[in-house]
Amino acid sequence: QVQLQESGPGLVKSSQTLSLTCTVSGGSIRSGSYYWSWIRQPAGKGLEWIGRIYTSGSTNYNPSLKSRVTISVDTSKNQFSLKLTSVTAADTAVYYCARGVEGRRDAFDIWGQGTMVTVSS
Amino acid sequence: DIQMTQSPSSLSASVGDRVTITCRASQSISSYLNWYQQKPGIAPKLLIYVASSLQGGVPSRFSGSGSGTDFTLTISSLQPEDFATYYCQQSYSIPYTFGQGTKLEIK
Repeated sequence: QVQLQESGPGLVKSSQTLSLTCTVSGGSIRSGSYYWSWIRQPAGKGLEWIGRIYTSGSTNYNPSLKSRVTISVDTSKNQFSLKLTSVTAADTAVYYCARGVEGRRDAFDIWGQGTMVTVSS
Repeated sequence: DIQMTQSPSSLSASVGDRVTITCRASQSISSYLNWYQQKPGIAPKLLIYVASSLQGGVPSRFSGSGSGTDFTLTISSLQPEDFATYYCQQSYSIPYTFGQGTKLEIK
């Protein structure tokens, strides 16, 4: 059974770069027709889709974050990663990685447990 | 961006009740609408995809309907474990967007 696990620093200083990795276990990141997404949720608020990557390396980003976001994939490590530059307090949130199923019109069927990232001044 | 609006924002109900949550898109999204359940401190869980298809392992008391701009999630008979926050999400166009959530509470 495929599982996702986020990892990375829980505290990032304002203006610096947030870096997170999602490790896929229980299956190959290259198998099947899946997109691999990052989604975030500020405390007590709703969900915001950040962007996604296909194993070919093609990416799509939320225009609201596009100038600051890079998502990459390392198929040899079965991982994909998020970099968000020039962070501010508004980027404080729980960050989730999730699998989107192409055959289910990209519905997110598997999620990581989430990792809390706090941006400090 | 496509805006997703859920109603109500919160709802009180009792075990055994039939509950309906509505989600409206700011433009037509065909049937590309998904529903998630989220409990405090836990990642969202996919319930329904493409408006009406039940995700594997999800109880049949959950159902979804709609197309175009108007969608509903129905829970036919509330169980204690169903009290949670529910989100709709459109996967019609990027950026994918979520509704603001509907918090279902015990009456």
